[in-house]
Amino acid sequence: NAGVMQNPRHLVRRRGQEARLRCSPMKGHSHVYWYRQLPEEGLKFMVYLQKENIIDESGMPKERFSAEFPKEGPSILRIQQVVRGDSAAYFCASSPLVQGDEKLFFGSGTQLSVL
Amino acid sequence: DQQVKQNSPSLSVQEGRISILNCDYTNSMFDYFLWYKKYPAEGPTFLISISSIKDKNEDGRFTVFLNKSAKHLSLHIVPSQPGDSAVYFCAASAEYGNKLVFGAGTILRVKS
Repeated sequence: NAGVMQNPRHLVRRRGQEARLRCSPMKGHSHVYWYRQLPEEGLKFMVYLQKENIIDESGMPKERFSAEFPKEGPSILRIQQVVRGDSAAYFCASSPLVQGDEKLFFGSGTQLSVL
Repeated sequence: DQQVKQNSPSLSVQEGRISILNCDYTNSMFDYFLWYKKYPAEGPTFLISISSIKDKNEDGRFTVFLNKSAKHLSLHIVPSQPGDSAVYFCAASAEYGNKLVFGAGTILRVKS
């Protein structure tokens, strides 16, 4: 009964490179959320996806960031041309979306460090 | 615009005593509230939740209280144990299927 799987756990990139973060939701969950936690701050919502659809991307920066959740395979959060300010912990969560039970199940996160 | 606020960055409690963590919110549309616990280098794990139709929910040592008129909720842990030492996040949702909005977290330290 695997939980939400994120990889890699740690990712180091130089400024200007691309970062790809992967998330496999819990079995049976078709809803994926990405959150970012900057140092000393809480989790900030970025994007909510269902299979092949972006439902809410109101928390995503307008440039350089994109997310997808294809029919097959994990959800991917892609950050192009990374800058030092992108350094943060990125958490993925999934949900079966049962009405009256809206809790999310989180992965262990990917710690992105931009040099 | 902080819709969910945890005004105490940290709390220190003696083992066996009660821990009370507080959370305030501003959005009156929130109707579902959750508490998550987070250890270093791990993802948040769900602790307890409450719907806006209730004012109390209890699960073992953990009780959440909701005061809708004050837009305030609190988490009580009794008795507190050293293993409870972690960061606690309050979160709220305004709509079925909608995103959770998190507070900044409170670091709880339980001293033995």
